[in-house]
Amino acid sequence: TQLLEQSPQFLSIQEGENLTVYCNSSSVFSSLQWYRQEPGEGPVLLVTVVTGGEVKKLKRLTFQFGDARKDSSLHITAAQPGDTGLYLCAVAVTSGTYKYIFGTGTRLKVLA
Amino acid sequence: EAQVTQNPRYLITVTGKKLTVTCSQNMNHEYMSWYRQDPGLGLRQIYYSMNVEVTDKGDVPEGYKVSRKEKRNFPLILESPSPNQTSLYFCASSHHQQGRTYEQYFGPGTRLTVT
Repeated sequence: TQLLEQSPQFLSIQEGENLTVYCNSSSVFSSLQWYRQEPGEGPVLLVTVVTGGEVKKLKRLTFQFGDARKDSSLHITAAQPGDTGLYLCAVAVTSGTYKYIFGTGTRLKVLA
Repeated sequence: EAQVTQNPRYLITVTGKKLTVTCSQNMNHEYMSWYRQDPGLGLRQIYYSMNVEVTDKGDVPEGYKVSRKEKRNFPLILESPSPNQTSLYFCASSHHQQGRTYEQYFGPGTRLTVT
């Protein structure tokens, strides 16, 4: 069951450009997480958003949780080569279970 | 150092030969989980465990077994591996409290090839 759709799937940009990555669903979630995965490593948590409309900033990364808690976006300002990686959104499905669902990911490459 | 360890990191095996991938965490986490990662499909949860002796199926449990006899260990067992189980596997752990979402800490991954 793919509850989370991420777009775009691939993104190649020049250093200094801005970009936005989206994570969409038709379901409502109590919280949503963003992870970044670098080649040869496991994903690492960037942020958890829990309130509809919430905006969180992590240096040049801005995360927003949709008002209806069905979607989220990640905006990177002035991308750098160090931002290269796979960005994954994830939610916990907690009704009668405690599964985690991950989006298919956005693979970002920032060229120097 | 707080970490999740997996072994082996790389494994090439043949169809039908039983194998076990070990996972251990030193953070006293209640929740442990196994995922597989395939191109175009993202991370998919195989099994998870909310505490010792409590395990449950994720989205893709067919062909896999797990056990949680101790809090720190959560091995993944493939009784009769098949080529469609060729994948990159990750173990993860986190704290667990119903109604809350915690950070998952991932191991370094195990790349499995079944021929």
